[in-house]
Amino acid sequence: GNSVTQMEGPVTLSEEAFLTINCTYTATGYPSLFWYVQYPGEGLQLLLKATKADDKGSNKGFEATYRKETTSFHLEKGSVQVSDSAVYFCALMARGGADGLTFGKGTHLIIQP
Amino acid sequence: DGGITQSPKYLFRKEGQNVTLSCEQNLNHDAMYWYRQDPGQGLRLIYYSQIVNDFQKGDIAEGYSVSREKKESFPLTVTSAQKNPTAFYLCASSKTYSNQPQHFGDGTRLSIL
Repeated sequence: GNSVTQMEGPVTLSEEAFLTINCTYTATGYPSLFWYVQYPGEGLQLLLKATKADDKGSNKGFEATYRKETTSFHLEKGSVQVSDSAVYFCALMARGGADGLTFGKGTHLIIQP
Repeated sequence: DGGITQSPKYLFRKEGQNVTLSCEQNLNHDAMYWYRQDPGQGLRLIYYSQIVNDFQKGDIAEGYSVSREKKESFPLTVTSAQKNPTAFYLCASSKTYSNQPQHFGDGTRLSIL
């Protein structure tokens, strides 16, 4: 079956530090890949996506590249802010997408001023 | 503005009682989904629906039921058969089920009295 593994948190960084949150996946075929962000007490917001190998998704300074050879979709940001503190979820949707999204367990990111 | 509305935001259930969580969307999306979120476990798919009057079980459907009588609405009933219902419930929708990003509501937090 499909699965997503992402680094366990919490991840604590100082403001302006470089961020990497690792995400690897297992899926048949060529899934679409997503990063979602969740702020306290809220639903999930789509952060970025990539639908095929070597695609780079980007939004709000965050980037992730679809690496088929390593089955990875690591999230990066060059300089984090306190407002980036949230829980980040990596997710995949298999081709056809009939069974919804498969999520990782989430990574809690804490940015200290 | 278009979006997904979940209500209520907080819900309390007594032992042996069924409760229904509301999810309405005005995005004209065909597909709708229900997820359950528990601390440290990410999101798990309960039910999903691709078109009106049709729905499918997800990974953890036991103790839950849904209906899809209208395109805009996808209510979830947590029955008394669900022995551990305390969780954060998230509804989502997408244009189709195929590789389109899902848009999420703000969630309903269900607790047992």
